[in-house]
Amino acid sequence: EVQLVESGGGLVQPGRSLRLSCAASGFKFDDYAMHWVRQAPGKGLEWVSGITRNSGSTDYADSVKGRFTISRDNGKNSLYLQMNSLRPEDTALYYCVKDISISSHDSSGYFDYWGQGTLVTVSS
Amino acid sequence: QSVLTQPPSASGSPGQRVTISCSGSSSNIGKNTVNWYQQLPGTAPKLLIHDNSQRPSGVSDRFSGSKSGTSASLAISGLQSEDEADYYCAAWDDGLNGRWVFGGGTKLTVL
Repeated sequence: EVQLVESGGGLVQPGRSLRLSCAASGFKFDDYAMHWVRQAPGKGLEWVSGITRNSGSTDYADSVKGRFTISRDNGKNSLYLQMNSLRPEDTALYYCVKDISISSHDSSGYFDYWGQGTLVTVSS
Repeated sequence: QSVLTQPPSASGSPGQRVTISCSGSSSNIGKNTVNWYQQLPGTAPKLLIHDNSQRPSGVSDRFSGSKSGTSASLAISGLQSEDEADYYCAAWDDGLNGRWVFGGGTKLTVL
């Protein structure tokens, strides 16, 4: 059974940093691209970032480019999101998501498994 | 403002058929496949339709998807109370930097 378990969320002041983690199990982690997708309270889904299976390439939404960094450790079956210079508009539930493809920018890919999310609140 | 446009709400009575539209452009739906996700209240999204019209194993055949030009549609037949959820379309956008884009979501109410 595929499981994606996020952690690391919490309340943080604007301008500070936070690192999210996602522990994956039930599939061969290093065979697939992974993503972070977020959902602000009461709002829709927003893709944040993606990473290819071997970390060879990363992609970011314009809204987080230069502030967030996605990474993975295939030896630990883990995905990470380092979030710096946080803003109130980054407040959201952050989902760890598995892609069906090896590449995070494969137009024929899709998101076949989602974690339950970890909540990040940016407020003073 | 979402890149893909969906109606904010839709509704139908049990047993009816409803459709949800998703409008995009030549840089996303016009050249790439569309996927649909269902988000039941208080839960994480779940893959409902991939590659425009393909159902993953375990998804009811009451759900179907289609695509034409720069638009896509999700149809739900034999509407049931448990179908009440938010539905999102998504596609890869080949614009300036390349990115995954979602529709704003459609809240389906079963009357």
